[in-house]
Amino acid sequence: DAMVIQNPRYQVTQFGKPVTLSCSQTLNHNVMYWYQQKSSQAPKLLFHYYDKDFNNEADTPDNFQSRRPNTSFCFLDIRSPGLGDAAMYLCATSQDRHAGYTFGSGTRLTVV
Amino acid sequence: DQQVKQNSPSLSVQEGRISILNCDYTNSMFDYFLWYKKYPAEGPTFLISISSIKDKNEDGRFTVFLNKSAKHLSLHIVPSQPGDSAVYFCAAIRNAGNMLTFGGGTRLMVKP
Repeated sequence: DAMVIQNPRYQVTQFGKPVTLSCSQTLNHNVMYWYQQKSSQAPKLLFHYYDKDFNNEADTPDNFQSRRPNTSFCFLDIRSPGLGDAAMYLCATSQDRHAGYTFGSGTRLTVV
Repeated sequence: DQQVKQNSPSLSVQEGRISILNCDYTNSMFDYFLWYKKYPAEGPTFLISISSIKDKNEDGRFTVFLNKSAKHLSLHIVPSQPGDSAVYFCAAIRNAGNMLTFGGGTRLMVKP
């Protein structure tokens, strides 16, 4: 089945230790997104790629970076995780705005 | 500034009855609206959508109503089933854009 896969499902990292979350898709969608969702809050867009074009949201902290080496993969790098970065990180893809997004299952990040 | 709001964090409904989930938005540039359903430890899944040129869209047990003048939309589920218990997110897209802006979600509990 065509899908969006996020690894790992759960990630525990130490305060200040760089961590990378990964996302892959088999849908061949040209747009990929990273969202951060904290408990009981709306998912918040961090950035997105339209093909290779990177688009950062204005309020996304510099601590968050992203890489998209090819159509299928996209990575979220958190350079120095703080306690406030503990959240669910959702990857999504889209091709057609009317079909909405296809989300991965998310990675729940814990910072200790 | 939250442009998409779901003012009810939770809703409890008896099985077989109607569930009505509400969503308000402030940005008049939004022209496409979507509802997503999210189970715990999973990513959101697309449920139903509506274009701003319509006031109603129906798909099986799910109907979305849009009142543009009031900047309000609602999702009706009838009859409600226990398997519908999840968090429901309302989302909106600006015209000519592709980015989703989410509401904070409403947790629906359908009791047998």
